[in-house]
Amino acid sequence: NAGVTQTPKFRILKIGQSMTLQCTQDMNHNYMYWYRQDPGMGLKLIYYSVGAGITDKGEVPNGYNVSRSTTEDFPLRLELAAPSQTSVYFCASSYVRTNSPLHFGNGTRLTVT
Amino acid sequence: GIQVEQSPPDLILQEGANSTLRCNFSDSVNNLQWFHQNPWGQLINLFYIPSGTKQNGRLSATTVATERYSLLYISSSQTTDSGVYFCAVERGRDTGRRALTFGSGTRLQVQP
Repeated sequence: NAGVTQTPKFRILKIGQSMTLQCTQDMNHNYMYWYRQDPGMGLKLIYYSVGAGITDKGEVPNGYNVSRSTTEDFPLRLELAAPSQTSVYFCASSYVRTNSPLHFGNGTRLTVT
Repeated sequence: GIQVEQSPPDLILQEGANSTLRCNFSDSVNNLQWFHQNPWGQLINLFYIPSGTKQNGRLSATTVATERYSLLYISSSQTTDSGVYFCAVERGRDTGRRALTFGSGTRLQVQP
């Protein structure tokens, strides 16, 4: 199993550009999450999904959109990138919410200039 | 939402020393996990431990749910233990948001 795979690893965007961060998992997990980590800080939840076709907002959803058309994929869309979105983005998944460990991808480092 | 406080924020150890990291949380939880973020940024799950005690090699964790805290013990520390340790919890009561809330972490540096 590859686990949770995120692409790209690094990206530099100009202010106002858009992009999609890709996340796929091959563990047949039903729960998937997007977190962002600012320098020296903990992780904040952006969006999450409890299954295909179901998504919900986390703590910091503004400026982002998600979709979940399949169990495996959970892309994160940034529209009109802003410097405040400079961060490291982590995708994660788990099988069952309350008694399954959370598995993380290796992250995408995004810089908006 | 639920508050998660970790202490100490920073810790420097000599190789071979033992340490205890603490996580306090503000509400009852049905999910508590400890993670290690290595110097390359990778997040590794260490323990799923909403209550009780678990051990894995030199690491062990104890959660006292009734008193709303969890402890992570690192014995005979090694330089490879360096990084940031995060505690993350999910509230026991159904609040509609079904995801982990992270603390701000304890940054550990183990010196040779």
